Amino acid sequence: GAGVSQSPSNKVTEKGKDVELRCDPISGHTALYWYRQSLGQGLEFLIYFQGNSAPDKSGLPSDRFSAERTGGSVSTLTIQRTQQEDSAVYLCASSFPLVRGHGYTFGSGTRLTVV
Amino acid sequence: QQPVQSPQAVILREGEDAVINCSSSKALYSVHWYRQKHGEAPVFLMILLKGGEQKGHEKISASFNEKKQQSSLYLTASQLSYSGTYFCGTSGGAGSYQLTFGKGTKLSVIP
Repeated sequence: GAGVSQSPSNKVTEKGKDVELRCDPISGHTALYWYRQSLGQGLEFLIYFQGNSAPDKSGLPSDRFSAERTGGSVSTLTIQRTQQEDSAVYLCASSFPLVRGHGYTFGSGTRLTVV
Repeated sequence: QQPVQSPQAVILREGEDAVINCSSSKALYSVHWYRQKHGEAPVFLMILLKGGEQKGHEKISASFNEKKQQSSLYLTASQLSYSGTYFCGTSGGAGSYQLTFGKGTKLSVIP
């Protein structure tokens, strides 16, 4: 597609419920990233996928967070048993490998509110 | 480790210049700069790689000092459209694929 597409754009959920956030990257981009942005904060790295390699999950804050990328394209970030501190904007980005000097293209994000 | 950006915020009048700094405690391979307008996604401005310097736009340029582990973003003759939060993102090596971002610098350009 023309850009990185994320859905839903907004999600309000009750504490304790599970949520799934979707990311559709730019066609041909082999790298896909999930970041989290809390109010007034920077971008917190969550997880990275590159081609068929094992994902780098080093940024996931707890085992309630998981992500998968199917067919090297669409990715889903799942948060189980949501907590209020999970409230944030979840940004997905895709790129060609950074080693080639390419930047990220970000999606518009999913604003998650846990009540 | 998260790079440190300074200043945290700056207010400029149209036509004025600004410099935003990004410092890391780790050796850097690359530095990226992004701008995020309120309610929008961050947009890639430019990348600077170890051993080189890239100018992304006519009035927005950047430098990369590998020895000092610093990068600076220069905005000249600022326009209202330059307003937003600027983030630097750093990677530590050619094999590093994800960026660590600073907390951002909020730039406001007023008439």
